[in-house]
Amino acid sequence: GAVVSQHPSWVICKSGTSVKIECRSLDFQATTMFWYRQFPKQSLMLMATSNEGSKATYEQGVEKDKFLINHASLTLSTLTVTSAHPEDSSFYICSARDSDRGSSYNEQFFGPGTRLTVL
Amino acid sequence: RKEVEQDPGPFNVPEGATVAFNCTYSNSASQSFFWYRQDCRKEPKLLMSVYSSGNEDGRFTAQLNRASQYISLLIRDSKLSDSATYLCVVNPKSGGYNKLIFGAGTRLAVHP
Repeated sequence: GAVVSQHPSWVICKSGTSVKIECRSLDFQATTMFWYRQFPKQSLMLMATSNEGSKATYEQGVEKDKFLINHASLTLSTLTVTSAHPEDSSFYICSARDSDRGSSYNEQFFGPGTRLTVL
Repeated sequence: RKEVEQDPGPFNVPEGATVAFNCTYSNSASQSFFWYRQDCRKEPKLLMSVYSSGNEDGRFTAQLNRASQYISLLIRDSKLSDSATYLCVVNPKSGGYNKLIFGAGTRLAVHP
C-alpha cells in the first residue's frame, strides 16, 4: 500500500516550452501533496504544498506563476513548469500524505521522481 | 545557517563496520524527526522515525538530543546494500501543515 506514481519519469524539452508532471496516489486519498526539487548533490527543497480543492502554498522564492500547481482530486496533483529554461533542469519529486490518517501522522510517501532536462 | 545540517561524507567503510552519522537542526520547536535513505537517482524512502527515547530497528539505531538539537544514526554490521545517501529530515510543524525539511544527506559507500 501507500504507492505514489509520477508521470513522466523523465522528459527533455526545448527552452520556452511548458512541461506538466503528474503525481498520483494509487491506493489512498491525499488531501495534501508536496512538490520538491532536487539539484545534483543537494537536498530536496520543498517548492510548494498542494491542497485538494484550494490554492497551493508556495515556499519563499518559488514563483507561483512559473510553477503552476493543480490538485483537482484526492488522488492527483499536477505541476506545470511554464516557459521552461535550462536552469529549471532538475529532479522533481512529489509526495503525499494519507488523508485517512490523523493530522499528527507525518509520514509522506514519495513518488519516483521526474527528471526534467531543458535544452 | 541551514535548517538541517549534515556532514556530506562520503563515508567509505568495509563490510561489517559500524558507522555513525550526525545531524543538527536549527529550529528548536521542531516536533518530528526522521532518517530517510535515498539511492542514486531515486526517490527517498523512510528508514526510521527518531524518538526522544532513542529507537532501534535491527542494525539501525537512531537517537535524538533535543537540548543540543542533534540527531544521530548508527549502522552496525554494514552491508554492501547499505550504500546510499542518508537524509536527516525534520518536521518543524510550522505554517499549519506538516512539511518536511531535508538535510543535504550523508553519502555512505560500503566496500567488500
